[in-house]
Amino acid sequence: DTGVSQNPRHKITKRGQNVTFRCDPISEHNRLYWYRQTLGQGPEFLTYFQNEAQLEKSRLLSDRFSAERPKGSFSTLEIQRTEQGDSAMYLCASSRGTGGFGEQFFGPGTRLTVL
Amino acid sequence: KQEVTQIPAALSVPEGENLVLNCSFTDSAIYNLQWFRQDPGKGLTSLLLIQSSQREQTSGRLNASLDKSSGRSTLYIAASQPGDSATYLCAVVRNQAGTALIFGKGTTLSVSS
Repeated sequence: DTGVSQNPRHKITKRGQNVTFRCDPISEHNRLYWYRQTLGQGPEFLTYFQNEAQLEKSRLLSDRFSAERPKGSFSTLEIQRTEQGDSAMYLCASSRGTGGFGEQFFGPGTRLTVL
Repeated sequence: KQEVTQIPAALSVPEGENLVLNCSFTDSAIYNLQWFRQDPGKGLTSLLLIQSSQREQTSGRLNASLDKSSGRSTLYIAASQPGDSATYLCAVVRNQAGTALIFGKGTTLSVSS
């Protein structure tokens, strides 16, 4: 069990550019979640996958955001035409589908700064 | 709509004190509740998970309790240490389908030596 990993750990970009983040969940976990956290706030849910199916999306996930999980393994989160308001920590979590009582395990996050 | 509140927002204690962090939620229909620790600029570390059918869970110096009917959970930390300094977050899951954790804003704990 190597834990949830995320890359890159930090990303600085200029407004209007596209960025993509990657999340590798714990290997036996079939559920994967993306959250966004801004300073002084708790994480807010963005989207959720069970295997390769994206089952739920928050209204926070605007049209500029897209997430994929091909083959039910790693996931990517892309933000198009970044805005300064997108600056945040993007967190990925995974959990087992059955058993484990839904306990979610988080990665170290990707810190995005939009200039 | 489920809302999670954590009180206090910040807490400073001397080393060795026992302390209690509070979490309240507005909708008692939860599947489970998790307590996390977050160090500055880092991801979240799961501390304890309490299923909706349970009343408490213990791990080392940590004890978490759950009272669904009153919409409350507490995290008790015994014999606090400077290394316990971090932000503690409480989160609830709505149902077994495995959807979103709904978080409070956290309590930032500082333990002085």
